[in-house]
Amino acid sequence: AQSVAQPEDQVNVAEGNPLTVKCTYSVSGNPYLFWYVQYPNRGLQFLLKYITGDNLVKGSYGFEAEFNKSQTSFHLKKPSALVSDSALYFCAVRDIAHTGRRALTFGSGTRLQVQP
Amino acid sequence: DAGVIQSPRHEVTEMGQEVTLRCKPISGHDYLFWYRQTMMRGLELLIYFNNNVPIDDSGMPEDRFSAKMPNASFSTLKIQPSEPRDSAVYFCASTPTPGGFPGANVLTFGAGSRLTVL
Repeated sequence: AQSVAQPEDQVNVAEGNPLTVKCTYSVSGNPYLFWYVQYPNRGLQFLLKYITGDNLVKGSYGFEAEFNKSQTSFHLKKPSALVSDSALYFCAVRDIAHTGRRALTFGSGTRLQVQP
Repeated sequence: DAGVIQSPRHEVTEMGQEVTLRCKPISGHDYLFWYRQTMMRGLELLIYFNNNVPIDDSGMPEDRFSAKMPNASFSTLKIQPSEPRDSAVYFCASTPTPGGFPGANVLTFGAGSRLTVL
């Protein structure tokens, strides 16, 4: 089975400060990992993904995430937060071993609030 | 491309009524997914299709829910009869057949259909 946990319901950060949104995963094999963002009244939008290779993945809007296999984590980071980054962030995982099933498992979401 | 198109964006209905939600995937995408989002349960996969064929419907809550994909450009999710606990935002997403890394392709989501059952 595959699962993903986002331990924080909400993260508050001041504009200009670095931000981190945490994600840990569980798979039986190796993972594909994703981050999506959801703005109010919108569908989810893709930010970045880890497939293989470099553990540091860079994505849209200045976001990046680091894959840490030993800690089974894939935390989302940004060096300097913007008020416009305020949104709901979802981590998602797919176990590579489950070749017959192409669906992702999403975390519960973390609301990021950036204060001006 | 206009992206994944869902209709209606908002639906308010009374308990017991039939609800039909519609989705037009991106042209050329042969995987289509239906998700449901609630505060309590987060984002749940209901069913997904490949080349118009349902592959996994294990997430469909009960027999009141049904989904069809009569052709590559249209899918419906039907609830009959609807109940207040079905109130949620229903998302459709699509993705093309994967290339070098099966399963690593990105989902494109529609804007969602917000259903309220009174």
